[in-house]
Amino acid sequence: GAVVSQHPSWVICKSGTSVKIECRSLDFQATTMFWYRQFPKQSLMLMATSNEGSKATYEQGVEKDKFLINHASLTLSTLTVTSAHPEDSSFYICSARPGDSYGYTFGSGTRLTVV
Amino acid sequence: EDQVTQSPEALRLQEGESSSLNCSYTVSGLRGLFWYRQDPGKGPEFLFTLYSAGEEKEKERLKATLTKKESFLHITAPKPEDSATYLCAVRANYGGSQGNLIFGKGTKLSVKP
Repeated sequence: GAVVSQHPSWVICKSGTSVKIECRSLDFQATTMFWYRQFPKQSLMLMATSNEGSKATYEQGVEKDKFLINHASLTLSTLTVTSAHPEDSSFYICSARPGDSYGYTFGSGTRLTVV
Repeated sequence: EDQVTQSPEALRLQEGESSSLNCSYTVSGLRGLFWYRQDPGKGPEFLFTLYSAGEEKEKERLKATLTKKESFLHITAPKPEDSATYLCAVRANYGGSQGNLIFGKGTKLSVKP
């Protein structure tokens, strides 16, 4: 079945540093990938839609300069949290859809802790 | 405003005790209702997609149904390994062919042996 691989699964970084999270579609091409953020006991909130070869579309309230998204190929999208602060600590999840007849497939998530 | 509401927030069952989880939605043009299972610290795992009222899908002990306003996830004779958070999401009639999903907050299911 369709697999989305996300790395790292967890990361701890110091305030002010940047962290890159990778999302790969392993057995299908994904022209579009979605990046979500999830706080404890909260639903997944869409941050941005990543489009291969073009700029990402950000949801209202999400800082473009803080959450940099690059979708350079049909199988890889990256999310870089720049100048991270403790309030950026969260669970980040990517998603893609292999095709119209498939459900959305999610990565395993990345737990980011900023200290 | 498009919205997804799940109830209850948490549900505790004894092994073998069947029950249902509810997902109520308001959306301008439903293009699919999705059920996912999420284990702690993991990404959501796809369970079902429903597209039209009256549709039903089954997988092992789970059965999902859909009406024009809500969906139910029925769990028959649950086992402890069914313990997880179950998420409901809808895809609205916008956002192009790859429209994003709108999620509910989930129902945390605990099944005791």
